[in-house]
Amino acid sequence: DVKVTQSSRYLVKRTGEKVFLECVQDMDHENMFWYRQDPGLGLRLIYFSYDVKMKEKGDIPEGYSVSREKKERFSLILESASTNQTSMYLCASSLGADRGRGYTFGSGTRLTVV
Amino acid sequence: AQKITQTQPGMFVQEKEAVTLDCTYDTSDPSYGLFWYKQPSSGEMIFLIYQGSYDQQNATEGRYSLNFQKARKSANLVISASQLGDSAMYFCAMREIVTAGKSTFGDGTTLTVKP
Repeated sequence: DVKVTQSSRYLVKRTGEKVFLECVQDMDHENMFWYRQDPGLGLRLIYFSYDVKMKEKGDIPEGYSVSREKKERFSLILESASTNQTSMYLCASSLGADRGRGYTFGSGTRLTVV
Repeated sequence: AQKITQTQPGMFVQEKEAVTLDCTYDTSDPSYGLFWYKQPSSGEMIFLIYQGSYDQQNATEGRYSLNFQKARKSANLVISASQLGDSAMYFCAMREIVTAGKSTFGDGTTLTVKP
C-alpha cells in the first residue's frame, strides 16, 4: 500500500515562527500536493509539485513556500506563521499518468498558531 | 475555472438503508475525472471511487456507486446498505486533464448513520 507520512499530527507554534511541515511518500509518485482544510471551506490547494524541484502555486499560496529536493519528500514552509494559518494541513500524492486512482493522503497535521 | 458544489452540509440515514450524496460540478474542459473521498473522524482522507468524463458506465466499487449525469453536470455518490462505519465527511472532487493533476474539492457533506 502507498503510504503518505506527515511528520507531525499536532503542532503548536508562536506567531512569527518559521514552520516546516514535512511529507514523505514511499511509492514513487510524481505528483505531490499540499492542501489546507477549514470548516465550511473544504480543501484548498496551497502548492503542488509534479516533479523534483518543480512547484506550482495553488489557489492560496500567500504566506507559504514549498521545497521538493527529492521525489519522495514535499515540504511546506510557513515563513512567518500567523494566527490565520491555524488549520488542518493535508499532504497528498498521486501517480502522474494514472488519473483514475485518486490521491493518497497523509493523516494530516493540525497546526495551531498562538 | 472548475467548481464543485455539495449542497448538503449534513445528512442522516438509517442503518442498512441507501443514501445519496449530491455533487454538481462546473467545467469547460471536455476531459475530466470525478472523485469521491471519505474522511472519518480520525482525519485521514480515503479515496472511494472515480468516474471519467468519457466513461459510458457509472462507476461502482462495492457498496459505493456514482450516479453520473453528464448533461446535468452531476456526480452523486450512492451508498447502499449503510453501516455505522460509514459515518464520516464525504468530499466530491474534480480533476481536469489540463490542470496537471490538481483537484478541486467541494465543501463536504457530513453523513451520520443511525442505528
